[in-house]
Amino acid sequence: GAVVSQHPSRVICKSGTSVKIECRSLDFQATTMFWYRQFPKKSLMLMATSNEGSKATYEQGVEKDKFLINHASLTLSTLTVTSAHPEDSSFYICSARLAGGPRGNEQFFGPGTRLTVL
Amino acid sequence: QKEVEQDPGPLSVPEGAIVSLNCTYSNSAFQYFMWYRQYSRKGPELLMYTYSSGNKEDGRFTAQVDKSSKYISLFIRDSQPSDSATYLCAMSRMDSSYKLIFGSGTRLLVRP
Repeated sequence: GAVVSQHPSRVICKSGTSVKIECRSLDFQATTMFWYRQFPKKSLMLMATSNEGSKATYEQGVEKDKFLINHASLTLSTLTVTSAHPEDSSFYICSARLAGGPRGNEQFFGPGTRLTVL
Repeated sequence: QKEVEQDPGPLSVPEGAIVSLNCTYSNSAFQYFMWYRQYSRKGPELLMYTYSSGNKEDGRFTAQVDKSSKYISLFIRDSQPSDSATYLCAMSRMDSSYKLIFGSGTRLLVRP
C-alpha cells in the first residue's frame, strides 16, 4: 500500500523559534500533498495544498508567511512554522494524493506531528 | 451551516453490536465519499471509498451513499474493541483541487 511518513513525530520548541516538518511519500510519487491541522477532539482543517514545483495554495485564514510550504520533489513536502507561538501548538498531518491511481481523489495520510510551543 | 455535519458522539456499544455512523452534507457537487478511522494521536486511515450513490461492502464494513438525501452512512458489523476510534467522513467534488472536506468525526467506544 501507499505509505506516507512524517518527521518528526513530536517536537517541543520555545516561542519564537521555527520548526520544520517533513512529509514523504515512501513508495509512490505524489504531485499533490496537503497539510492539515487538527485540534484535540476536532476534525482536520485543511491549511494548504502543495503541488510539486509550484507555490502552495493556502486556505482562507491561513497565514502564508507563518506557515511556509515547500514541495521540491515528487516525494517530499515540508511545512515550516515560522516564529512559533503557543497558539501554534497543534497536531499537524500531511497527506499525499496518488497521481494516476484508480481512485484519483484518494489521499494517504501521514502519522502526524505533534507540535508543542512553550 | 457546515458543509458536512457529523454527530461527534461519543457512541458507546457492546462488543458484537452493529454500529451505524452517519454524515449529512449540503453541497450537491460532492461526488466522492470516504470514511476514515483515526486512532488517538495517529493519522487517519482510509476505510471506505465510494463514488456517487450506492452501497459498498468490505468485510465487516458497509458504506452507503444517498445523494438524493445528501446522507452517507458507515455500518460496522460484529464490532470489536479494536474498532474503538474516531470515524471521520470526508467528501470531495469532481474537480482538480482534490480537496477533502471532513466531518467533525464520531468517537466510537466498543465495550468488551
